[in-house]
Amino acid sequence: LAKTTQPISMDSYEGQEVNITCSHNNIATNDYITWYQQFPSQGPRFIIQGYKTKVTNEVASLFIPADRKSSTLSLPRVSLSDTAVYYCLVGDRNTGRRALTFGSGTRLQVQP
Amino acid sequence: DVKVTQSSRYLVKRTGEKVFLECVQDMDHENMFWYRQDPGLGLRLIYFSYDVKMKEKGDIPEGYSVSREKKERFSLILESASTNQTSMYLCASSPAGNSYNEQFFGPGTRLTVL
Repeated sequence: LAKTTQPISMDSYEGQEVNITCSHNNIATNDYITWYQQFPSQGPRFIIQGYKTKVTNEVASLFIPADRKSSTLSLPRVSLSDTAVYYCLVGDRNTGRRALTFGSGTRLQVQP
Repeated sequence: DVKVTQSSRYLVKRTGEKVFLECVQDMDHENMFWYRQDPGLGLRLIYFSYDVKMKEKGDIPEGYSVSREKKERFSLILESASTNQTSMYLCASSPAGNSYNEQFFGPGTRLTVL
């Protein structure tokens, strides 16, 4: 599985856009990029998944450049409730039954 | 609304005790997983199961066993609890096909072994 590197922590203020970048230099051709969010005392929650270019849903956008060696999770206009740990994961969707490999994640703190 | 439930939010056990952690999902998912989460180490996979009575070791299976007698229930067993098994335990499930589809996590069980 490709190793991922992301910042340990980030700070922001309410209403700002937050971009969290993840490096995955060894990403393989069949690998997808997935982001999870985890609030304190809860299990992780799937946010978004993509393969290339841009993916957007009601929660976030995911930007993936052409070389796919990095990706950026973008959270528009964050609120206090977006304070959480965000995990970037890379893996092959077609390997079957392979479980997720989580790193340490990025701890986002949103201030009022 | 999809749901993964775990039998306890907090559990305190003594060294040497046999500990059972239960997980139940109501989504008819084939795949179920047990992770433990420790500060600075992220989530690490202990065991997973892709079908009833089937199981596979994850990254850190030592000291643990699992049981999947019914599709909706996946149990994690600590045969003889030790203090280094103090951790947050998270159960997850996902539909058949591959596990990089969305995984649904339970709220976690914080286990303390004294």
